[in-house]
Amino acid sequence: DQQVKQNSPSLSVQEGRISILNCDYTNSMFDYFLWYKKYPAEGPTFLISISSIKDKNEDGRFTVFLNKSAKHLSLHIVPSQPGDSAVYFCAASGARGNEKLTFGTGTRLTIIP
Amino acid sequence: KAGVTQTPRYLIKTRGQQVTLSCSPISGHRSVSWYQQTPGQGLQFLFEYFSETQRNKGNFPGRFSGRQFSNSRSEMNVSTLELGDSALYLCASSLTSGRTDTQYFGPGTRLTVL
Repeated sequence: DQQVKQNSPSLSVQEGRISILNCDYTNSMFDYFLWYKKYPAEGPTFLISISSIKDKNEDGRFTVFLNKSAKHLSLHIVPSQPGDSAVYFCAASGARGNEKLTFGTGTRLTIIP
Repeated sequence: KAGVTQTPRYLIKTRGQQVTLSCSPISGHRSVSWYQQTPGQGLQFLFEYFSETQRNKGNFPGRFSGRQFSNSRSEMNVSTLELGDSALYLCASSLTSGRTDTQYFGPGTRLTVL
């Protein structure tokens, strides 16, 4: 049972435009959410996180939005750059869970120059 | 500061064999977590070690085990390998075992089981 879902396996966006990556979760106990980026042959690198007490968190070109009632979060990248081409993973954790992080299956973002 | 290192980077084994993977965390980090990445499944949590003790465990069979040494280095062992164990095994380190501590990942060990 996939508790964190990224329903779009891939996404292509023109350079300079906004990239929006989506993530849905089913476990209402999740209260901390993260986005990781992964390049081939490298481990995932942390991008941005958000606690459930907030609905938005910004860090430079990256903004994460959390809609708790819809159990949905999204990552906005503005403006998109060629170096943003990577696989993006959404992850979540809950206070009573026995897993460190529960990850989604990833979305491959391709930025078209 | 050196990042998380994992050895070996690539490994080929046959069914029924066992394998040991190694992870050296960032200096000063005391928590090490292990994840399995397979196509279509994303990253799945295996277990976490903190101060040489297993703190959390994911939903994997007992063939998957681990340990942590006093210098925080960690090893993961898979016994009686199956074809389905072919995956990228990632370890991540963090300062403490806190849920909101940022985890820093190593490059992974690519295990192929023939």
